[in-house]
Amino acid sequence: EAQVTQNPRYLITVTGKKLTVTCSQNMNHEYMSWYRQDPGLGLRQIYYSMNVEVTDKGDVPEGYKVSRKEKRNFPLILESPSPNQTSLYFCASSPLAGFSQETQYFGPGTRLLVL
Amino acid sequence: GQNIDQPTEMTATEGAIVQINCTYQTSGFNGLFWYQQHAGEAPTFLSYNVLDGLEEKGRFSSFLSRSKGYSYLLLKELQMKDSASYLCAVTTDSWGKFQFGAGTQVVVTP
Repeated sequence: EAQVTQNPRYLITVTGKKLTVTCSQNMNHEYMSWYRQDPGLGLRQIYYSMNVEVTDKGDVPEGYKVSRKEKRNFPLILESPSPNQTSLYFCASSPLAGFSQETQYFGPGTRLLVL
Repeated sequence: GQNIDQPTEMTATEGAIVQINCTYQTSGFNGLFWYQQHAGEAPTFLSYNVLDGLEEKGRFSSFLSRSKGYSYLLLKELQMKDSASYLCAVTTDSWGKFQFGAGTQVVVTP
């Protein structure tokens, strides 16, 4: 089944404790992206990657890191989480060649609470 | 700065038509997308416009006017399952860079 998977789905952590949210897609998509969603603010893009080893900042990259060493994986790293990073996080992927067609496919979301 | 505006909430009756407007002011423009998001779920793609005009896809249609910075999503023959949030998104100076509106919550009543 074609899908984008994220782990963990739910996470409670404390300020300053490094964490990684994994994202993996099995559709051989070139493009992957991370978003956070907060009430009243909609989806805001954190980072995106057009292909392996190519990453770019979205609108809210501060406090986050990403890497794209393999096509299928795009982990989101919070080196020192703070309470303002409490949010719902979505990973998404898309084929670049048909960028206008059914873009993007979203993962199920990761709900993060930073105490 | 970048700005994408859409109404916060709309209510309509089952079987009716609802039009969700989206206006945008961005530094560049490559394309406009509409997504549907049910409560507690991930967004799913609905439509894409890159040229002016109307794109029809079954009960859903989307319109774009680039000169006016304006789009709308038209939902026809509303069903209860159409109750969801509808997100307008624009790709701006890079194909990969997305700007989303805050979403319009559509409530369909019997």
